[in-house]
Amino acid sequence: RKEVEQDPGPFNVPEGATVAFNCTYSNSASQSFFWYRQDCRKEPKLLMSVYSSGNEDGRFTAQLNRASQYISLLIRDSKLSDSATYLCVAYPLYGKLTFGQGTILTVHP
Amino acid sequence: EAQVTQNPRYLITVTGKKLTVTCSQNMNHEYMSWYRQDPGLGLRQIYYSMNVEVTDKGDVPEGYKVSRKEKRNFPLILESPSPNQTSLYFCASSLTGTLYGYTFGSGTRLTVV
Repeated sequence: RKEVEQDPGPFNVPEGATVAFNCTYSNSASQSFFWYRQDCRKEPKLLMSVYSSGNEDGRFTAQLNRASQYISLLIRDSKLSDSATYLCVAYPLYGKLTFGQGTILTVHP
Repeated sequence: EAQVTQNPRYLITVTGKKLTVTCSQNMNHEYMSWYRQDPGLGLRQIYYSMNVEVTDKGDVPEGYKVSRKEKRNFPLILESPSPNQTSLYFCASSLTGTLYGYTFGSGTRLTVV
């Protein structure tokens, strides 16, 4: 079983839609969680950290459920510029990040 | 500008010819890491370093070496590259590793023929 698993996607949504991605992790010792965004052939960029209490940044909301070992990302009012691959990351040990395979999102007019 | 700089951006080489991909960060970060990204396999960690002279293996360390002699630099060495090391490589750094995410370099696209 992969340490971090994501919805395979791809997700194709119209502008203005709300879309949610889920990600499960297998290592219960994981301490920190993040969502990254990666545009085609470019470097991943940190989108947001994920906290136990849930956190919001504009149109983006991240949630963590430690009991069920999953994290989620909700994007409201999708924009064309949100089209990208979204990677979830679990951090079980110092220095040893584990990435999910990514979920492709395409937002169309 | 705070950044992670990798060089070269593109490299085509032949099997067995030793090469080094350089990585440098100007943010005084303690943690640095190398990843490779392949279609269908996602990002996989090769090696990471928690400080000068402290390195450890990631998930796919075979065929790679690293060194951390200075805090800012973390080169990736392929002593005898093989075609299965053809990939997109990313270097990344982080202040502490846990509370903060990693900042990635722009990537090095390596082709071994």
